[in-house]
Formats: sequence, structure tokens, C-alpha cells
Amino acid sequence: QSALTQPPSASASPGQAVTISCTGTSSDVGGYNRVSWYQQHPDKAPRLLIYEVTKRPSGVPDRFSGSKSGNTASLTVSGLQADDEADYYCTSYAGGDNWAVFGGGTKLTVL
Amino acid sequence: EVQLVASGGALVQPGGSLRLSCAASGFNFNVYSMNWVRQTPRGLEWVSYMTSDSRTIYHADSVKGRFTISRDNAKNSLYLQMNSLRDGDTAVYYCVRGYQWAFDYWGQGILVTVSS
Repeated sequence: QSALTQPPSASASPGQAVTISCTGTSSDVGGYNRVSWYQQHPDKAPRLLIYEVTKRPSGVPDRFSGSKSGNTASLTVSGLQADDEADYYCTSYAGGDNWAVFGGGTKLTVL
Repeated sequence: EVQLVASGGALVQPGGSLRLSCAASGFNFNVYSMNWVRQTPRGLEWVSYMTSDSRTIYHADSVKGRFTISRDNAKNSLYLQMNSLRDGDTAVYYCVRGYQWAFDYWGQGILVTVSS
């Protein structure tokens, strides 16, 4: 199963918004509403931000939002803060025994 | 507080075997699916999945036939038996709780190095 495609980097200034894309196929992202997003700071474990495309776990600020159109899912971070500088990964269920396929990750820089 | 503490990471030669363990606490381990996810400089890769009742198991194609996930609900523990290890299996391995087609709690990660 091929990895999902994410841009390697993204950047924006504090207070602005940035959107990170995650492109798959009709066999994964496009076929199921089972996309999730994770934030990872250096030397830390990933943290769940979004599940089932748009849902936020308790404790995740509403500055983080998810969406999907066709085979592409997106994570939007609004009101950027310095602590948002991290790596972001998407993942999707891919059917059958392909429980999860990850994107390659996007390094977000807060300018 | 949910805690997932992995152990068993080591330096092992190609072709060798290793067993990772994960001790879970702070939640009802019996009702959650569990996973192993690994991370290399190339990124994250899902490795293995097991339902709460152990009836359904999936492994990534890259480890199928070599790795086996298991659990002991009486001991609140998850395991990963890794055989025929290869250089490409070198990674930080995370014990991860499953929730609604996502991974909601991650352990601290344990390093496995495969090298001669």
C-alpha cells in the first residue's frame, strides 16, 4: 500500500492560518471517512488532533480542523502559535487488512 | 492517566529475534484495540493491529510472516514478537491504543536497532 502524499513543508506567520493536504486514492482517503491527523514535536510521541476526518478529541483546541474532498484530506491550523511548529502526519484506513496508511509528514514552520 | 510503557528494545543482528512488551494502565485495556506503529527517519508506518478480544489481527505487508502481535488482557499487556529481523526494521516502535479508526494514545517509543 503506497503512502499518502503530503507536502514536505509548510509555513506561515503567527496568527495566520495554514492548510496541510493529504492526498490518497479512492481505496483509502476517498473511500472512507477514516482520516486522522497527528502532531509530533521533536523527540515526542505523536498526538492525535483529528479523527474521522473532522472530529476533535477532548483537549484539542478548535484552532485545528479537518476536512475532505474526494481523495484529498486537509488539516487547517488557524491562529498559528509558536508551539504549533511541529511535524504533522495524516493517516487513513485503507480497506481489508490494510488497517492504516500514513502520509510522509509535513514540517510546519511558524515564521 | 493513560500510560503505555514499552520495553524490550535492543540491538540485534540481522536474522535475529526480539520481543517487545507494552504495559498499559489508566484505562480498561480489555475493551480497546491496540496497535504497534514504528517510526524511521522516513516517517511513521503502521505495523500491527489487534482487536480487544484478540479475534482480529492485521499486519502490514512489510512484516507479514515475520512479526506477530499478541495480548494478555489479564496482565494489561501487549506484545510484538519480531523474527527474521532486517536492517529495514530499525525504528522506534510505539505501542498505540486504537480509537474510532485512529490512534489516540501513544507510548514513549522503544528503539530497535538491527545491525551486524
